[in-house]
Amino acid sequence: GAVVSQHPSRVICKSGTSVKIECRSLDFQATTMFWYRQFPKQSLMLMATSNEGSKATYEQGVEKDKFLINHASLTLSTLTVTSAHPEDSSFYICSARDGDTEQYFGPGTRLTVT
Amino acid sequence: GQNIDQPTEMTATEGAIVQINCTYQTSGFNGLFWYQQHAGEAPTFLSYNVLDGLEEKGRFSSFLSRSKGYSYLLLKELQMKDSASYLCAVLDSNYQLIWGAGTKLIIKP
Repeated sequence: GAVVSQHPSRVICKSGTSVKIECRSLDFQATTMFWYRQFPKQSLMLMATSNEGSKATYEQGVEKDKFLINHASLTLSTLTVTSAHPEDSSFYICSARDGDTEQYFGPGTRLTVT
Repeated sequence: GQNIDQPTEMTATEGAIVQINCTYQTSGFNGLFWYQQHAGEAPTFLSYNVLDGLEEKGRFSSFLSRSKGYSYLLLKELQMKDSASYLCAVLDSNYQLIWGAGTKLIIKP
């Protein structure tokens, strides 16, 4: 089956710094990638949808200047959390879509901001 | 608005059968997914239904009725490792996934 990787799996950073998370589709080309955030005991919350070569579409309430998304190729999307604060601590999950239906999820990145 | 409802939590006994229901109201329908998510991990794909009826895959089966806006996930011969959250998600007319809040399944010996 299709495989999506994320790096890093865990990251701890200090408040005010920036963190970059990478999402790669390893054995297929992903025309669309999605970034989700999940707080403890809550469901996935879609942050943004990115299509290769174009600007990401952000969900309402998600600050595009704080969560920078770059989808430079058909196999790589990055999420940069800028000027991180403790309330940004969460589980960030990417997924990649091949075609119109199924999304393949990465293993997630646990971000802790101290 | 778009809405997906599933029970918050269910408890079942090891070796038994459990059915997790999901009802949905979405703008358009291009299929329904069930995902399993263990604590601290990303969701993993279980099933995809786009036509009415029952899809069986080993111990897990998923049913869909589009006219009723209803689906269920049936888990047989429950094992302790099945303790997880089960997420129902619908692909809407824009091919966006609309997520339910998830059902936490607790398996007792």
